[in-house]
Amino acid sequence: QVQLVESGGGVVQPGTSLRLSCAASGFNFTSYAMHWVRQAPGKGLEWVAVMSHDTTTEYYADSVNGRFTISRDNSKNTLSLQMNSLRTEDTAIYFCARGGYGSGSYLPLDYWGRGSLVTVSS
Amino acid sequence: AIQMTQSPSSLSASVGDRVTITCRASQYIRNDLGWYQHKPGKAPKLLIYAASNLESGVPSRFSGSGSGTQFTLTISSLQPEDFATYYCLQDYIYPPAFGQGTKVEIK
Repeated sequence: QVQLVESGGGVVQPGTSLRLSCAASGFNFTSYAMHWVRQAPGKGLEWVAVMSHDTTTEYYADSVNGRFTISRDNSKNTLSLQMNSLRTEDTAIYFCARGGYGSGSYLPLDYWGRGSLVTVSS
Repeated sequence: AIQMTQSPSSLSASVGDRVTITCRASQYIRNDLGWYQHKPGKAPKLLIYAASNLESGVPSRFSGSGSGTQFTLTISSLQPEDFATYYCLQDYIYPPAFGQGTKVEIK
């Protein structure tokens, strides 16, 4: 069955960096776009970033553009999110999610992980 | 960026009630909209994709409709397991945008 397991969360200070990972299994990882979505405490879901199945295309939310970088290793079935210059408002649970199949297809998000908590605090 | 406005932000309903949640886009998004259910501490769940297509395994009491800028999620007969927060998500224009969510609570 499809499984997505996030890791790498923790407590960090503002201005520092953190790298999240998402281990995927149970499907052909190389065929699907992959996303990061977050939920700040007491807030709704916020889309963060997507990478196409073949790594050629990526998009970011305005709130993280220039600070976060999404990447994937199709040989290891792993999705990553490098988060730099972290701010207190980046505090959230970060979910990875499977997107669309094949070229030019990014949604819907049909499988999600349980999330990894990132806390940015001094 | 496109703004997605959901209404209501919360509602109280009883088991067996018919529930309707609306999502309005600030501009045309064709039918590129999905609906998601989220319970605390759990992974969000896809219910509807492309505005009106029921995801495999999702009960038929859930349905979606609409196109252009106005969309609706309907739960025909609310069940105890349906108490959750519901979100719409558009991906016609990037970046994708969620609605602010509708919390469905027990009356």
